[in-house]
Amino acid sequence: DSGVTQTPKHLITATGQRVTLRCSPRSGDLSVYWYQQSLDQGLQFLIQYYNGEERAKGNILERFSAQQFPDLHSELNLSSLELGDSALYFCASSPGGLAKLFFGSGTQLSVL
Amino acid sequence: EDQVTQSPEALRLQEGESSSLNCSYTVSGLRGLFWYRQDPGKGPEFLFTLYSAGEEKEKERLKATLTKKESFLHITAPKPEDSATYLCAVQSNYGGSQGNLIFGKGTKLSVKP
Repeated sequence: DSGVTQTPKHLITATGQRVTLRCSPRSGDLSVYWYQQSLDQGLQFLIQYYNGEERAKGNILERFSAQQFPDLHSELNLSSLELGDSALYFCASSPGGLAKLFFGSGTQLSVL
Repeated sequence: EDQVTQSPEALRLQEGESSSLNCSYTVSGLRGLFWYRQDPGKGPEFLFTLYSAGEEKEKERLKATLTKKESFLHITAPKPEDSATYLCAVQSNYGGSQGNLIFGKGTKLSVKP
């Protein structure tokens, strides 16, 4: 158990809808990272937050947004969903840098 | 553009048959190279971080090595429980990738008893 909790584990929705994925980092970890994993692209970095502030942005679509709350949990919001957004979404946390990330078990998103 | 290529895509071994997985990378100044293990339905689990050419790290049956262009994950006398997908990732010193890891697509290892 990595100590990172993601909910829900599975999410099935329709095109055009909006969903929210939730992540609780390990106790004491200030950094939260979001990754998308698909069969053809592998693990792709989306966005990083550190202690409530956006720190780095990767290949995140404009339809996607994230935030980190004062209690350090984070949410990833996906809107106007398309079939191609179907993927595994992982959250990871670390005390600060990238030397060692702890990943959650992921949210499997299926857009029908 | 920073890039990570892993080979082979899949590897089948008999229990006890040692082998190596390859990770070739192109990066604008390597800050770190990382190996993760991923089991089906789970998130990646950290194995090693390597920072400079010539560095080696070991953990049980696994040994990771690093050169200026590639890294190898050597698996000695593997057991069925070593079956997993092994992911390699790099972090660059420069540009927009400072805040993230660039992952390869992984090598799926199957170890048969």
